[in-house]
Amino acid sequence: DADVTQTPRNRITKTGKRIMLECSQTKGHDRMYWYRQDPGLGLRLIYYSFDVKDINKGEISDGYSVSRQAQAKFSLSLESAIPNQTALYFCATSDGHQPQHFGDGTRLSIL
Amino acid sequence: QQQVKQSPQSLIVQKGGISIINCAYENTAFDYFPWYQQFPGKGPALLIAIRPDVSEKKEGRFTISFNKSAKQFSLHIMDSQPGDSATYFCAASPTGGADGLTFGKGTHLIIQP
Repeated sequence: DADVTQTPRNRITKTGKRIMLECSQTKGHDRMYWYRQDPGLGLRLIYYSFDVKDINKGEISDGYSVSRQAQAKFSLSLESAIPNQTALYFCATSDGHQPQHFGDGTRLSIL
Repeated sequence: QQQVKQSPQSLIVQKGGISIINCAYENTAFDYFPWYQQFPGKGPALLIAIRPDVSEKKEGRFTISFNKSAKQFSLHIMDSQPGDSATYFCAASPTGGADGLTFGKGTHLIIQP
């Protein structure tokens, strides 16, 4: 089983819809991250969390929100999706000593 | 403002050759410089990382060269193999990665057999 599981793996939805992407981990790491990957742009940090009570904005947090429901779960929400949020989304974890470990991503298309 | 500039965007190397990917940064507070490898349909996976107190780090066929004064670092893949064909990202962080990573735009590497 994967250490970092992202669901769904693929999602197609319409403009204006609310969408939630979920991430769960079995690594026991305290720190979790959400990144967005666009072709030719690399990965950009959206939000990160050091524990359930700690949420921090990243480089591109506008239009997104997150929820850390438990140490092992970190969800990313798009309150009202727009087409330029079409991208590949990655969740990552870290214990602060080991490097960030990424899930296999959610491919999101917004029509 | 792009804080980590990566080049080239794409690279084709013959099997057995040396693949070289370069990155330059602007933020002198960066203290952690990892390289990630990504295959299609997969998340990035850490390949090798360096901190600015050393000028070179080698792990198998992969070497990071680091030039603090020039604010540049590079990945060298020796004896490149078709299985090395992937997208490579350099990254940097001022907090050892704790507050997240700033990534370069990536290099699509193709190793021709």
